Amino acid sequence: GAGVSQSPSNKVTEKGKDVELRCDPISGHTALYWYRQSLGQGLEFLIYFQGNSAPDKSGLPSDRFSAERTGGSVSTLTIQRTQQEDSAVYLCASSFEVAGFHRSSGDTQYFGPGTRLTVL
Amino acid sequence: GQSLEQPSEVTAVEGAIVQINCTYQTSGFYGLSWYQQHDGGAPTFLSYNALDGLEETGRFSSFLSRSDSYGYLLLQELQMKDSASYFCAVLPTSGTYKYIFGTGTRLKVLA
Repeated sequence: GAGVSQSPSNKVTEKGKDVELRCDPISGHTALYWYRQSLGQGLEFLIYFQGNSAPDKSGLPSDRFSAERTGGSVSTLTIQRTQQEDSAVYLCASSFEVAGFHRSSGDTQYFGPGTRLTVL
Repeated sequence: GQSLEQPSEVTAVEGAIVQINCTYQTSGFYGLSWYQQHDGGAPTFLSYNALDGLEETGRFSSFLSRSDSYGYLLLQELQMKDSASYFCAVLPTSGTYKYIFGTGTRLKVLA
């Protein structure tokens, strides 16, 4: 696709419900990243995928959060038993390859429009 | 710990030059990136410094000094559309793979 897409754009849910957020990266991008941004705050890194593999899941805020990626493309971020503190904008980004020391245009991250999650 | 500090807000007038600083406390990282984010929008990549020195991309330049644990984004010939939040970010070389973003600087450009 032309850019990173995310769905839904907005999600309002009740405390305790599960939600699933979807990210469609740019075609051909092997790396995919999930971030969380609370109102007026910076970006909090959650997890990244190289292909279908997530080498490090320690950035996920709690065991209620999980993420997967299939076919080296679409990724889903699932939040179980949502809490009010989960309310934030969840951003997905993709890059051609995982960033490394040598400057290359391939490590530039392209962000999606985000999913605004509101937990009541 | 690892952190990136930025001024919370900077105000300047159209046509001016503004510098947004990013100071960091991290043992090692691959490079320093800068992103722009308009209200309600997604971050967009601006610049990347893998090595010390100045990188220039049109009206935007970015600088890195690893010895001083310091970098900055320089915006020239400011335009109203430059009003946005600006974030610096690094990927540490040690430990787990986690991008660290700065606290963000809100730039207001006045007519």
